[in-house]
Amino acid sequence: GQQLNQSPQSMFIQEGEDVSMNCTSSSIFNTWLWYKQDPGEGPVLLIALYKAGELTSNGRLTAQFGITRKDSFLNISASIPSDVGIYFCAGQNNAGNMLTFGGGTRLMVKP
Amino acid sequence: KAGVTQTPRYLIKTRGQQVTLSCSPISGHRSVSWYQQTPGQGLQFLFEYFSETQRNKGNFPGRFSGRQFSNSRSEMNVSTLELGDSALYLCASSRQADNSPLHFGNGTRLTVT
Repeated sequence: GQQLNQSPQSMFIQEGEDVSMNCTSSSIFNTWLWYKQDPGEGPVLLIALYKAGELTSNGRLTAQFGITRKDSFLNISASIPSDVGIYFCAGQNNAGNMLTFGGGTRLMVKP
Repeated sequence: KAGVTQTPRYLIKTRGQQVTLSCSPISGHRSVSWYQQTPGQGLQFLFEYFSETQRNKGNFPGRFSGRQFSNSRSEMNVSTLELGDSALYLCASSRQADNSPLHFGNGTRLTVT
């Protein structure tokens, strides 16, 4: 099925470093969402973006909804060990709540 | 406030059998969606229900079906199981009918042998 192009696929960083990941699509979305998934658990919603150009923060996380509505990025500042996990972007349109997901970014943090 | 609850957490079935998975949404949420997660295909949309009506359906064979009850709880059924159906099945609920963030349960891990 269709997926968003999410990059990078994995990152191995030092604790305290900043992280950036992004998602692109050939289709326009009206909403972009970012989720984090820990092993054995379901994805947890981090940030939801509803307007093109919107920049939203949640603690050390900042995400932006691209102007073209075809992309989004997520930044994590001053990473800590509990940031380890898989981060997913997802796009949503107005017709229902169906999400199209990116392939995920696996983040590993070295203490 | 309780989150999305999925039962059972783990399930082992044999090829050819059928299986029913259950999902209880967050209280007050009337929209329920199901996703299949595999290492190869990632997160794939199965179907979405709102007020007991299926609103959207993903590209899965007819062996995959679902329903929603009047209390918003949902079940999905997979008949004639195949080895490739082994996956994590995730249920998500949302408050509104459209353009509303999804909140996921911890899934049911199905293994088909």
